Amino acid sequence: GESVGLHLPTLSVQEGDNSIINCAYSNSASDYFIWYKQESGKGPQFIIDIRSNMDKRQGQRVTVLLNKTVKHLSLQIAATQPGDSAVYFCAVDTGGFKTIFGAGTRLFVKA
Amino acid sequence: DVKVTQSSRYLVKRTGEKVFLECVQDMDHENMFWYRQDPGLGLRLIYFSYDVKMKEKGDIPEGYSVSREKKERFSLILESASTNQTSMYLCASSLGTARGTDTQYFGPGTRLTVL
Repeated sequence: GESVGLHLPTLSVQEGDNSIINCAYSNSASDYFIWYKQESGKGPQFIIDIRSNMDKRQGQRVTVLLNKTVKHLSLQIAATQPGDSAVYFCAVDTGGFKTIFGAGTRLFVKA
Repeated sequence: DVKVTQSSRYLVKRTGEKVFLECVQDMDHENMFWYRQDPGLGLRLIYFSYDVKMKEKGDIPEGYSVSREKKERFSLILESASTNQTSMYLCASSLGTARGTDTQYFGPGTRLTVL
């Protein structure tokens, strides 16, 4: 079955710098990928998604990159702000209603 | 805005008690999900439902059951709570579109402690 892993459980960045959070998945047939943000005391919230027919998608200050060759996904946050401090999950839609979530990377933003 | 609400933010129960966790969504979503979230393990799917009265086991259904009598409400039941069920429980819903487009919307979570 599908598995999803994150490279780092925590990431610390300086306010104003760019953040990069990485994720790896195992099933080359996976075709839909989502990033969620979970702030303290809240449930995960959708940030951005990407389908397998794309390799890059941009939102407001966030960019998701997909490398299907090495089955790697990354989330880039530009000009990181204190409000970006949270746990970030990548998730892979396996079809059949099931989504597999990674363990999460906790982002700390230093002022 | 999609709203998913959960009946309690914090709950403390004793071993052997029957526990009900309620979840309500207000956007007429077809699919509803129950996850538990534990440090280092991410979100693990307990049960999901794709229609009223329909339910499917997720990855860790043992010790849990669910009920979906109305479209907007999905209940998680711990028949006899045990200490290893101490966790954060998250409910989610999704519209139920074709595969590859179905974003899940989460509630705030219920932190359950079983003593």
